Amino acid sequence: SQQGEEDPQALSIQEGENATMNCSYKTSINNLQWYRQNSGRGLVHLILIRSNEREKHSGRLRVTLDTSKKSSSLLITASRAADTASYFCATAKGTGRRALTFGSGTRLQVQP
Amino acid sequence: GAVVSQHPSRVICKSGTSVKIECRSLDFQATTMFWYRQFPKKSLMLMATSNEGSKATYEQGVEKDKFLINHASLTLSTLTVTSAHPEDSSFYICSASTIAGGIVEQFFGPGTRLTVL
Repeated sequence: SQQGEEDPQALSIQEGENATMNCSYKTSINNLQWYRQNSGRGLVHLILIRSNEREKHSGRLRVTLDTSKKSSSLLITASRAADTASYFCATAKGTGRRALTFGSGTRLQVQP
Repeated sequence: GAVVSQHPSRVICKSGTSVKIECRSLDFQATTMFWYRQFPKKSLMLMATSNEGSKATYEQGVEKDKFLINHASLTLSTLTVTSAHPEDSSFYICSASTIAGGIVEQFFGPGTRLTVL
């Protein structure tokens, strides 16, 4: 079964609004990553936050991590129609060449 | 970032045929590659870990004789779907792994859309 669960599963907002997506996981992690996927396409890496970090910014993206609650959030500010995509969190349990475990994803629709 | 390619990007085949999908790391060497499968509107599910020069490690429920993986070089892993059936229709994505600063970095290919008629 999937380790990560994300909510909401689907989110529809207007251009210019902020979008917040949440991710929960079950086991201890080394880091958590967020990816974006346009329909039928590959994954694009957005941001990585290490387990000893609480918040990280990259452009219009803000990621938080709460290891005590085993949860993370991705905030996209001032959303654009081009942000329409599915967003996935992914966790890696440790160092080494380990596979990522993906959350169920949030489908974001930004209405122009 | 590093580039990973997949070929073909899209394939349609008849039931019972075998399909080979290639995953290449174009500008770095990857001793480990991963194969994922994604059904429509679902998340990525790890199928197997491909290790250069050794047998692949399959996830529970994934048939190794059905999904043959060969990692013959540090830049190429192949996934062969043998005797494909309509239920094998899916989006297959590979990733190649490196380590930088103790962090596992994975670079994903663009995916292969398999449709079995």
